[in-house]
Amino acid sequence: DAGVTQSPTHLIKTRGQHVTLRCSPISGHKSVSWYQQVLGQGPQFIFQYYEKEERGRGNFPDRFSARQFPNYSSELNVNALLLGDSALYLCASSLAWGTDTQYFGPGTRLTVL
Amino acid sequence: SQQGEEDPQALSIQEGENATMNCSYKTSINNLQWYRQNSGRGLVHLILIRSNEREKHSGRLRVTLDTSKKSSSLLITASRAADTASYFCATVLQGGSEKLVFGKGTKLTVNP
Repeated sequence: DAGVTQSPTHLIKTRGQHVTLRCSPISGHKSVSWYQQVLGQGPQFIFQYYEKEERGRGNFPDRFSARQFPNYSSELNVNALLLGDSALYLCASSLAWGTDTQYFGPGTRLTVL
Repeated sequence: SQQGEEDPQALSIQEGENATMNCSYKTSINNLQWYRQNSGRGLVHLILIRSNEREKHSGRLRVTLDTSKKSSSLLITASRAADTASYFCATVLQGGSEKLVFGKGTKLTVNP
């Protein structure tokens, strides 16, 4: 079975632009979470979605938004990009709400110039 | 803010030696998990230990949890060059939140 997939792998944007990152969970998984990992740091929680509803939001500005589709895939959108948004964006899926193990995708490396 | 803090920040050992990494956290948890990350790519789940457990084993991995000290340790026995990676502890806090709260990680280098 395929693991969590993310696209694109790498992305270069300029300040002020908008970006959309995509994630497909493991087949049968209904929960998707997004994390931001700045170089040299551990991942920071951004959002969690379960059954297309937002179940958790981290301490990120409103420029960050996400949604989950009926097929459980998810998009993370970031508006008005800042240099500080440069990071590895990780998506994780889990089987259901309340299950413990989250399986991570390879990430999208975003560079903002 | 980070919940967990790994110690040491970096560790360099020879192949065949054991590697021990420690994690401390601040608030009560449901469980604590260890992940491995190679070269800034995706995280691989290694092991989960629940708050009512004290020790778990998985292959060459041994994890302990001391909730009174709010700390955990990850032991990798008979290390291999392929174990070279960054290792993160992540906690799931009590109170219904599903999010993982990560530390800054330990960078392990295993020299052949």
